[in-house]
Amino acid sequence: GAGVSQTPSNKVTEKGKYVELRCDPISGHTALYWYRQSLGQGPEFLIYFQGTGAADDSGLPNDRFFAVRPEGSVSTLKIQRTERGDSAVYLCASSLTALAVYNEQFFGPGTRLTVL
Amino acid sequence: RKEVEQDPGPFNVPEGATVAFNCTYSNSASQSFFWYRQDCRKEPKLLMSVYSSGNEDGRFTAQLNRASQYISLLIRDSKLSDSATYLCVVNQAGTALIFGKGTTLSVSS
Repeated sequence: GAGVSQTPSNKVTEKGKYVELRCDPISGHTALYWYRQSLGQGPEFLIYFQGTGAADDSGLPNDRFFAVRPEGSVSTLKIQRTERGDSAVYLCASSLTALAVYNEQFFGPGTRLTVL
Repeated sequence: RKEVEQDPGPFNVPEGATVAFNCTYSNSASQSFFWYRQDCRKEPKLLMSVYSSGNEDGRFTAQLNRASQYISLLIRDSKLSDSATYLCVVNQAGTALIFGKGTTLSVSS
């Protein structure tokens, strides 16, 4: 079956611009997560949704970052006034639910964001 | 102190070797434990979950010591295709995964 998909795969933008990154989770998965991975680091949590609501947004670095999941499926991560430090791979993952102790998260291929 | 700490390596081993990775975590409330594998410029993929009783999947053995907050992964009879970064991951139900920085393994012929 189809896995998690993310678009675009690569995004190059200029400092100060606005970007949107999209994630399509696996059908039927109620939990959706956003992570950010910088070179040489493990993925770092940004935000997760259980259904339509953001259950935990404690990983968002500042108020330039925002994410939505209006219908409980597709999610969009929005970054305003991009900075060079935002350059990273943005990974989306989904799981059947966030509430099980051992719930496998399936990752998408990521969006590589480069801010010039 | 980072929540999940791993030796970044790299570990360079010949084919057929046995290699062990270790990981420690700081949050004693962590409830679930995993090893993920990440190939270069690819997404992380679950290698195996780690249970208190320890578990084995073919050439891979994972162990958990809750008292010491320590997780290990043993790979026997290493293959060229095992070359990757191995990420130690902990979780609490209802929260996001917490990743270590990863340990890089390079298996050579």
